[in-house]
Amino acid sequence: AQSVTQLDSQVPVFEEAPVELRCNYSSSVSVYLFWYVQYPNQGLQLLLKYLSGSTLVKGINGFEAEFNKSQTSFHLRKPSVHISDTAEYFCAVTLRGGYQKVTFGIGTKLQVIP
Amino acid sequence: ETGVTQTPRHLVMGMTNKKSLKCEQHLGHNAMYWYKQSAKKPLELMFVYSLEERVENNSVPSRFSPECPNSSHLFLHLHTLQPEDSALYLCASSRQWESKGDTIYFGEGSWLTVV
Repeated sequence: AQSVTQLDSQVPVFEEAPVELRCNYSSSVSVYLFWYVQYPNQGLQLLLKYLSGSTLVKGINGFEAEFNKSQTSFHLRKPSVHISDTAEYFCAVTLRGGYQKVTFGIGTKLQVIP
Repeated sequence: ETGVTQTPRHLVMGMTNKKSLKCEQHLGHNAMYWYKQSAKKPLELMFVYSLEERVENNSVPSRFSPECPNSSHLFLHLHTLQPEDSALYLCASSRQWESKGDTIYFGEGSWLTVV
């Protein structure tokens, strides 16, 4: 079975500063990796995903993530955050093939401080 | 506007009530999911329907009863719930995934409070 660890439950950062949200996973087989964002009072929406190919994945709203197989990590980064990035971010992993049995991390709340 | 619509957005029910949550997807997907989101816990996958057949039931108590009448609609019937069942219930859909990691699309959720 796969699992996801998000090491930080809350990350405060000043506006226009860079941010990194950490995610580590464990799985005995190949997986696909995702980052979802949840704005207040809304459902989750996809930020980006890694399926194969280049390990640096670019997503919406200026976010990017890098897949590191040796470290089993998939950290999310943004060089300069905005107030509107305040939200909860979920890392997720799913096994390849079949329907989507996705395992989510516990989430990291990003608070952007003006 | 999301392609997955959930109603009601907010529901307060007593422990002896019977109610239902409804989900409708307009994306042409053929897999649908119910997730439970509680504070300080990872999202919990409750049920998965693929091609209208239930393929996953993650040890969910029988007081939660899903129904998938067709590929566009998914219900979660609730009866004799407990206060600890209060949470955000998220519906989601995706394509039947064959060779790629298709995106899961989520609804905005139904906030359930059991009193």
